[in-house]
Amino acid sequence: DTEVTQTPKHLVMGMTNKKSLKCEQHMGHRAMYWYKQKAKKPPELMFVYSYEKLSINESVPSRFSPECPNSSLLNLHLHALQPEDSALYLCASSHPGLAGGPGYETQYFGPGTRLLVL
Amino acid sequence: SQQGEEDPQALSIQEGENATMNCSYKTSINNLQWYRQNSGRGLVHLILIRSNEREKHSGRLRVTLDTSKKSSSLLITASRAADTASYFCATDRTTGGFKTIFGAGTRLFVKA
Repeated sequence: DTEVTQTPKHLVMGMTNKKSLKCEQHMGHRAMYWYKQKAKKPPELMFVYSYEKLSINESVPSRFSPECPNSSLLNLHLHALQPEDSALYLCASSHPGLAGGPGYETQYFGPGTRLLVL
Repeated sequence: SQQGEEDPQALSIQEGENATMNCSYKTSINNLQWYRQNSGRGLVHLILIRSNEREKHSGRLRVTLDTSKKSSSLLITASRAADTASYFCATDRTTGGFKTIFGAGTRLFVKA
């Protein structure tokens, strides 16, 4: 299985809602990533988990809360988002790099969740 | 300018022609990767080239890396309409902590 799956595909939420994005992989990867991509822009790294521990947080606002409950799953909990948070949210996974750290290996991406905040 | 800038921003060619996209970066890197993205969907990994490699091939793809110039190029030979997509380079920097940085991307349109 060489696939990263993400649910839901589309999500519309109000600014007071709480929702969660889910990502799953069964490739045995121990590094997982969340990216945000605005229209016609490149993906921007948000979070990195390595061996189920948060290793990188790219100064993302606290209204985004990541969670890695096990080696196959990655969640992104959303609360009190703003309209400017509307974007495509991409999950990726990879083998961890040298010395057990993240990165430096091929990242496999899911199809993304398209989020619209009203 | 940002790490992983690409040119051209957009490229329109006829089917059968070759397409060349370039990527420049600023910091030292461990590797450089090229990805394809169709219509705002997920990214598909095309090829990874490590900092000690100069050229790699995969099917109709050829990637070069010049670490002295901090640049890379992606050549797609004998293009097809199905190659129409956005192409991004991504670098994993080695200083200042791990981070994958994507270039702005090249939007390729292959006319049938």
